[in-house]
Amino acid sequence: AQSVTQPDIHITVSEGASLELRCNYSYGATPYLFWYVQSPGQGLQLLLKYFSGDTLVQGIKGFEAEFKRSQSSFNLRKPSVHWSDAAEYFCAVGATPGSARQLTFGSGTQLTVLP
Amino acid sequence: DAGITQSPRYKITETGRQVTLMCHQTWSHSYMFWYRQDLGHGLRLIYYSAAADITDKGEVPDGYVVSRSKTENFPLTLESATRSQTSVYFCASSESRRATVRLTEAFFGQGTRLTVV
Repeated sequence: AQSVTQPDIHITVSEGASLELRCNYSYGATPYLFWYVQSPGQGLQLLLKYFSGDTLVQGIKGFEAEFKRSQSSFNLRKPSVHWSDAAEYFCAVGATPGSARQLTFGSGTQLTVLP
Repeated sequence: DAGITQSPRYKITETGRQVTLMCHQTWSHSYMFWYRQDLGHGLRLIYYSAAADITDKGEVPDGYVVSRSKTENFPLTLESATRSQTSVYFCASSESRRATVRLTEAFFGQGTRLTVV
């Protein structure tokens, strides 16, 4: 069974600082990886996704993530954080086609941005 | 409006009562999902549906019932609500493309905050 671990429950950074949110996955086959963001009182919005090909993927709002198969990681990065980035971030792994298409989510990382 | 909508947004119910959470999507997506979100657990899958009249259990299905008589609707029913079912519930949908190996992302509703007292 697939699983996702987000080791950091809460991260605080200053506005303008760089950000890296960690995500480790466990899955036996080629993973399909996603990062979602949830602003307070809102649903989840997709930031970026990885299916295959280039291991560095670009997403919306200036985010990027790098897939490292050797480390089973898919860390999310942003070079300069804005106050509006304060939210909860979820990493997820998707099952391969042909099996159930559900996503398995990590427990989330809450990001606080200091002025 | 196009998209995926959940209703109600907020609900308070008493222990033992039956309550149904509604989910409607306008994209004709094949797949629909129900998740619950609890502190420290992230999102956990309750049930999902691959098409109308096809449903299957997820990680935490006990105490819930789903149906999918129409592609666009996927209601979630708590047959006899318990306090442990106090949570935020998210519905999601995604496409199914058998001809491709690409898995499209899921689109989420804004959630229903359910409190069982």
